[in-house]
Amino acid sequence: EVQLLESGGGLVQPGGSLRLSCAASGFTFNSYAMSWVRQAPGKGLEWVSLISASDFRTDYADSVKGRFTISRDNSKNTLYLQMNSLRAEDTAVYYCAKGDCGGDCRFVDSWGQGTLVTVSS
Amino acid sequence: SYVLTQPPSVSVAPGKTARITCGGSNIGVKSVHWYQQRPGQAPVLVIYDDSDRPSGIPERFSGSNSGNTATLTISRVEAGDEADFYCQVWDSTSDHRIFGGGTKLIV
Repeated sequence: EVQLLESGGGLVQPGGSLRLSCAASGFTFNSYAMSWVRQAPGKGLEWVSLISASDFRTDYADSVKGRFTISRDNSKNTLYLQMNSLRAEDTAVYYCAKGDCGGDCRFVDSWGQGTLVTVSS
Repeated sequence: SYVLTQPPSVSVAPGKTARITCGGSNIGVKSVHWYQQRPGQAPVLVIYDDSDRPSGIPERFSGSNSGNTATLTISRVEAGDEADFYCQVWDSTSDHRIFGGGTKLIV
C-alpha cells in the first residue's frame, strides 16, 4: 500500500522560509516522479511542482518559480519542498503526490494527507 | 495558459445519474483525469486517461471526452458520493499540470 506522510508545515511570517518533507513507502520510490499540490483554504487544487524519478528534472508553477525548490533523496525515500520568500497567498494545505510514471507524468495516483502552511504576521 | 472550466455545483437525487463537465479548448485531444475529494480528506483518483478506472473505484464511475468537453458520470449516486470533483490535464505546451476549479456534488 502506498503511504505518503508529509511534515514540516506550520506558521511562518511573510518573507520567511519553510521546508516540507514527505516520507514515502509501499512502492519503489526511485521509479516514480513526485509532485507537490496545494489547496488554499476553501479553494481548489493547484499543482505546485514536479521532480522526475532519476534524472531529477524539475518543473514549477509560475506562481512559485524562483521561490520554491523541489528535491528528493532516493536513498531515504523522501521528497522535499524548500519554500522561500513566502507570501500570504502561499497559505494552503500542501499535498505530496505520487506520479503515474518516472518522468512527465500525466496525473498523480496517490496522495498524502497534507500539511498546513500558514503565512501570516 | 490552458484553462479548465467546471460548474461550481451539481445536484442529484440518490439513485440517479450525475454528470459533471469539464470544458477546455479542444480538450478532446488531451487525456483528462478526475479526482474526488470528500470533506476534510485528501483527493483520490477516480478516472484517468478519460475513461479508465483505478483499481478499487466502483464501476458506477465513468468518463468520456470529446470536442471541448470532458464528462465524469456517476451512476446510481449514493450519499457517500457527495464530494468535490476536480478534472485535470497535462498541458504539454507549458509542461504544467492544470486543474479545473472543482465541482461540488450535492446528493
